[in-house]
Amino acid sequence: ILNVEQSPQSLHVQEGDSTNFTCSFPSSNFYALHWYRWETAKSPEALFVMTLNGDEKKKGRISATLNTKEGYSYLYIKGSQPEDSATYLCAFINTGFQKLVFGTGTRLLVSP
Amino acid sequence: KAGVTQTPRYLIKTRGQQVTLSCSPISGHRSVSWYQQTPGQGLQFLFEYFSETQRNKGNFPGRFSGRQFSNSRSEMNVSTLELGDSALYLCASSFSGGNSPLHFGNGTRLTVT
Repeated sequence: ILNVEQSPQSLHVQEGDSTNFTCSFPSSNFYALHWYRWETAKSPEALFVMTLNGDEKKKGRISATLNTKEGYSYLYIKGSQPEDSATYLCAFINTGFQKLVFGTGTRLLVSP
Repeated sequence: KAGVTQTPRYLIKTRGQQVTLSCSPISGHRSVSWYQQTPGQGLQFLFEYFSETQRNKGNFPGRFSGRQFSNSRSEMNVSTLELGDSALYLCASSFSGGNSPLHFGNGTRLTVT
């Protein structure tokens, strides 16, 4: 059974703070790592799909890094804004199962 | 470009009944996958269809089934509903699965009483 762990489970920061979350996944047979943002009353939205060890992706104030050898990815948000409040999900897919396994997410709340 | 459309948005059924949920993917996307979300659980993978063939299946009982049509539209069926089937069911489409990002629909909220 593949296990994807995300930490912390929830986070409350002030507007302007920078923050980061962790996604841990099995390091063997890596294929891809996905990050999604899920705002309340909306559907999950893709942020990044990462496939190579050492990959770094950036979208505005949000960036992500990937370490496939040790099995983790970090998501960073620089200068958090209230509109960043959402649940951030990571999902792992390996070469064997070819199906995405989601973590339970990090719930971020940014207060003005 | 139209997004992923799921119907219906809400459903209330009683135990023992069956239900069919529908998903229309983004035009050109051949992969459609289904997920279940219950409180406290992450998104649980149900199955994935690609070009009308079930490519992957999650750890759900046989009461959960699906299919995909030639136009890539997909349906999910749950028979003999149980109270524990109450959940948000999300459909997602992607160009090819795997390393293609998923595009999610708004989901169907199923309540079983």
